[in-house]
Amino acid sequence: SQQGEEDPQALSIQEGENATMNCSYKTSINNLQWYRQNSGRGLVHLILIRSNEREKHSGRLRVTLDTSKKSSSLLITASRAADTASYFCATGIAGKSTFGDGTTLTVKP
Amino acid sequence: GAVVSQHPSWVICKSGTSVKIECRSLDFQATTMFWYRQFPKQSLMLMATSNEGSKATYEQGVEKDKFLINHASLTLSTLTVTSAHPEDSSFYICSAVDPGGPSYEQYFGPGTRLTVT
Repeated sequence: SQQGEEDPQALSIQEGENATMNCSYKTSINNLQWYRQNSGRGLVHLILIRSNEREKHSGRLRVTLDTSKKSSSLLITASRAADTASYFCATGIAGKSTFGDGTTLTVKP
Repeated sequence: GAVVSQHPSWVICKSGTSVKIECRSLDFQATTMFWYRQFPKQSLMLMATSNEGSKATYEQGVEKDKFLINHASLTLSTLTVTSAHPEDSSFYICSAVDPGGPSYEQYFGPGTRLTVT
C-alpha cells in the first residue's frame, strides 16, 4: 500500500483563499517532498523538508512536518487560478520515494 | 538544482514492439535511479530501483522480463518496455539520487508518455 495518504482527495476554493493539504505516512523517513502536477504534465518540485526540520517556506507555500505524528501539511496562501493542479506528497527513504494518492486542487477565479 | 532529463518526451508505438526510454542525470553522478509509472488520474507507483553496475530491483507485481532496466553508467539508466501492449500505455518517470545531498534528495525527470496502439 502507499506510504503516504493525503487528504482531502479534492479541494475547491475561490481565488485568494488559502488551501491546506495534509499527508500522513507510516514509517520513519529521511525527507518528505511536495510536488505539483498539472494535467498530463510532469512533476514540479515544490519543497523538500528533511526529517529534522519542522517548517519550511517558499513564496506562498508553507510546509510543516511532524515526525511524531508522521504527518505533513502544505499550505498555499492567497491562491491563484494557476495553482489549479494535483498535489502529491512523497516520503523519501534512502532515496526511494513513495507517493501519496494526491489532492486535486481547483481554484476558481 | 540538479537536473534529470528523459528521452523521448513522448512516444507512440504499435502493439508488440519494444520501446526504450532514457534517463540521464546531467550534473551529478547517480549510482541509484528509480523508475515510476503513472496511469491516468492515479498517483506514481515505483516500478524498480536501478543500480549502476548491478541488476535492478523490481517491485512486487512488475515483470522484470517485460521492463528491462540497464544502468550502464553513473549518469544513464534505460527502461525498455518489451513487446508493448495497450495496457502499458502510461506516463513513465525516472528519478536520480544525488549522493552528495544530505538526505538522499532525489530529482525527477520530466517524464515520458508512452501510447501503445
